[in-house]
This record gives sequence, structure tokens and C-alpha cells, in this order.
Amino acid sequence: QVQLVESGGGVVQPGGSLRLSCVASGFIFTGYGMHWVRQDPGKGLEWLAFIRQDGDNKYYAESVKGRFTISRDNSNNMLYLQMNSLRTEDTAVYYCAKEGAASWDVDVWGKGATVTVSS
Amino acid sequence: DVVMTQSPLSLPVTLGQPASISCRSSQSLAYSDGNTYLSWFQQRPGQSPRRLIYKVSNRDSGVPDRFSGSGSGTDFTLKISRVEAEDVGVYYCMQSRHWPPWTFGQGTKVEVK
Repeated sequence: QVQLVESGGGVVQPGGSLRLSCVASGFIFTGYGMHWVRQDPGKGLEWLAFIRQDGDNKYYAESVKGRFTISRDNSNNMLYLQMNSLRTEDTAVYYCAKEGAASWDVDVWGKGATVTVSS
Repeated sequence: DVVMTQSPLSLPVTLGQPASISCRSSQSLAYSDGNTYLSWFQQRPGQSPRRLIYKVSNRDSGVPDRFSGSGSGTDFTLKISRVEAEDVGVYYCMQSRHWPPWTFGQGTKVEVK
């Protein structure tokens, strides 16, 4: 079945960097765009970034534009989120999510990776 | 950006009784292909979100038929015909018509009275 597993979360100081990874399985990775979505502790969901199947087109939320970079390795079914200039407000659970087929939304989510930005 | 507004934000329910959640968008979510791009997600305590409904009323595989979605344009509803204990959690609507960004409602917490 479709599975997404994030890794790379942790504690980082403000201004620091972190790279999240997501390994995908159970579907044809090259056939789908991929998203990153985060959730503040005890709060709602915030879409962060989307990358199309070929990796050439990328879209970002204003809150992370210029600081975060989404990328993918189609040879290894991997999705990444490089996070630079981290702020305390970036503390959240980060989810990797698969694009829904013909619905432009998100259909499958990973279990999430926790990122804590604190001095 | 399209703003998604859910109500209520908290919904105490009695097991076996129906429940209804409203979601309104600041712009129409209808597209020229005839589809309307509104989805519903369930997040049980301690779990990641799970899609229940896509394109307003299409249930995902494995979703019980007590869940139904309806609506058009800017007004949408998720209904649970008879709430069961496993339905406790937070429910989110999401629009995927006007992107980027994809936007979510604030979430509705469903809890047992």
C-alpha cells in the first residue's frame, strides 16, 4: 500500500538549518506531485510547498518562500525539504503528502517529523 | 488566497446521533471541467490526517458510508449520519481549486458529550 515515511526532524537553534526527507513506496512516485504540510502544536494545518512530478515546477507558501526548498530524487523515490534560517515559529510537525489523483489535493500523508526551533 | 471558514469549531456529539460540519470558501471552488475542488480530512488524536472525501462528495476507499459530503460553489457540508466513538477527532476542509497556496479550514473538533 502507499506509504510515506519522514525523517530528519529534531531540535535546532533559531537561524539554523535542517533537511527533512520522505521515502515513498507503494505507488509510482514519478506519476505524482508531492507536498509538504506542517501543523503547529495543537493547531491547524498549513500547506508549505509542492513539487510537480518532474521536479521542475515548485510552489511555496509565502511564510517559507526564500527559506525552504523542496526537491525530489525520482531515482530513489525520495522527497526533501531543506529548511534554512529557521525561526521559533517554524516549530511544528512536518508531513510529507502525496498529490491526489485528478483531485489536485492531498490523498495520503506520512506520520510526520517533529521540528523544534529553540535556543 | 482563498480563506476557508469552518463552523462550528467545537462539536460535542452524542454517540449514535448525526453530526454536521460546515465549510465556506471565500471564492467559488468550481472549475470549468465541471468539478469542484473541496476535500475533507479526519485527524484522530495522535494520528496524521486521513482524507475522507474529495471533490465535494467522493468517499475514499475504506471510508464508512456514514460519512457524506455535499455542497457547491462556496458552501460545503460534511455529515456523519450516526457518530461512532472512532469518529472523535478534528475534521478539516481543504480547497485545491485556487493554488498556490492550498488552504485549509481551521478545523472542527468532534468530541463525545
